[in-house]
Amino acid sequence: DIQMTQSPSFLSASVGDRVTINCKASQNINKYLNWYQQKLGEAPKLLIYNTNNLQTGIPSRFSGSGSGTDYTLTISSLQPEDVATYFCLQHSSRYTFGAGTKLELK
Amino acid sequence: EVQLVETGGGLVQPGRSLKLSCVASGFTFNNYWMSWTRQAPGKGLEWVASITNSGGSTYYPDSVKGRFTISRDNAQNTLYLQMNSLRSEDTATYYCTRDRGFAYWGQGTLVTVSS
Repeated sequence: DIQMTQSPSFLSASVGDRVTINCKASQNINKYLNWYQQKLGEAPKLLIYNTNNLQTGIPSRFSGSGSGTDYTLTISSLQPEDVATYFCLQHSSRYTFGAGTKLELK
Repeated sequence: EVQLVETGGGLVQPGRSLKLSCVASGFTFNNYWMSWTRQAPGKGLEWVASITNSGGSTYYPDSVKGRFTISRDNAQNTLYLQMNSLRSEDTATYYCTRDRGFAYWGQGTLVTVSS
């Protein structure tokens, strides 16, 4: 089974900051990596699919990059509404989620 | 608009069974793989089961294999999850998701396994 290591677990940043969240797979997942945002009490929402494709309706301040085993979600300029927990998901071989990154405002 | 509405959650005793349903609308149901994913209170996400668009193949992680069964009724646009021999560690919100990349999620239904 593929394991996903997500970091950091917790992140505190200011409005306007550039924020990066990382996921590392235990083996090559060939860019089959999605990113989700989950706000308190809500279902997860897809932000980025297959490493770097922005889901329809998602602001362009969100972007994704990576290859092989290492992947990154970047928020170019943090907004108050971005406070949430972020998860990665590999769907190269079955499905494995990262443990999540809780993003708060400083 | 894609909509996924889960029902069937509730309080159940350990060892008992429960069946969840997910009614889909806003897309051609039989064109898509469907899955169930769960989230224990305050915890992360765990994939639970997937089914191909025809229903001909199903997939499970070891944590639920042999206890849970995913199925679908394409005529009724409905996805199911039969959960048997429930354990306390199965307590979670169960989400229905669409397609192989989990692009769309329902709002979830809470299952609590407790005596």
